[in-house]
Amino acid sequence: GAVVSQHPSRVICKSGTSVKIECRSLDFQATTMFWYRQFPKKSLMLMATSNEGSKATYEQGVEKDKFLINHASLTLSTLTVTSAHPEDSSFYICSAREQGDYGYTFGSGTRLTVV
Amino acid sequence: GESVGLHLPTLSVQEGDNSIINCAYSNSASDYFIWYKQESGKGPQFIIDIRSNMDKRQGQRVTVLLNKTVKHLSLQIAATQPGDSAVYFCAEIVYSNDYKLSFGAGTTVTVRA
Repeated sequence: GAVVSQHPSRVICKSGTSVKIECRSLDFQATTMFWYRQFPKKSLMLMATSNEGSKATYEQGVEKDKFLINHASLTLSTLTVTSAHPEDSSFYICSAREQGDYGYTFGSGTRLTVV
Repeated sequence: GESVGLHLPTLSVQEGDNSIINCAYSNSASDYFIWYKQESGKGPQFIIDIRSNMDKRQGQRVTVLLNKTVKHLSLQIAATQPGDSAVYFCAEIVYSNDYKLSFGAGTTVTVRA
């Protein structure tokens, strides 16, 4: 079946630094990838939708300059949390969808802790 | 805000019993629904899906029921096992510039031995 690899699984960084999270579709071409944020004991909140080769579409309230998304190839999307602060600490999850498919495959998530 | 929600935040069930997890949605135009299981520290895992032209779909030990009249979705797990302990989310496909998943609040299922 479809597999999405997300890396790193955990990261701790200092305030003010930037962190990059990678999301790769291993056995299919993901024309669309989604990035979610999840707080403890809460649901997944969609942050942005990225389509290969075009700018990401951000959900209302999500700072695009804070959360940089790049979808340069059909198998890789990256989320960069810029100038991270403790309030950015969260569980970030990516999802990938193949063109013409309704299936959404999720990565295993990245636990970001900003100290 | 969320257009899909869940009735109960937690469910405790005896091992071997059947589990029923409920979900209410508000978007009557939604035509595709998915149940996901999320274990601690992991991403959501697909369980089963159903389209709006169906009212029931069965998988291995799981059944999803859809009642479009009252906009209600349920997931039934037969003979619940300890490995079923997780958070369960219902999600619907919504269209806003693209087809996107909108998640409900989640129900934490705890299986008692």
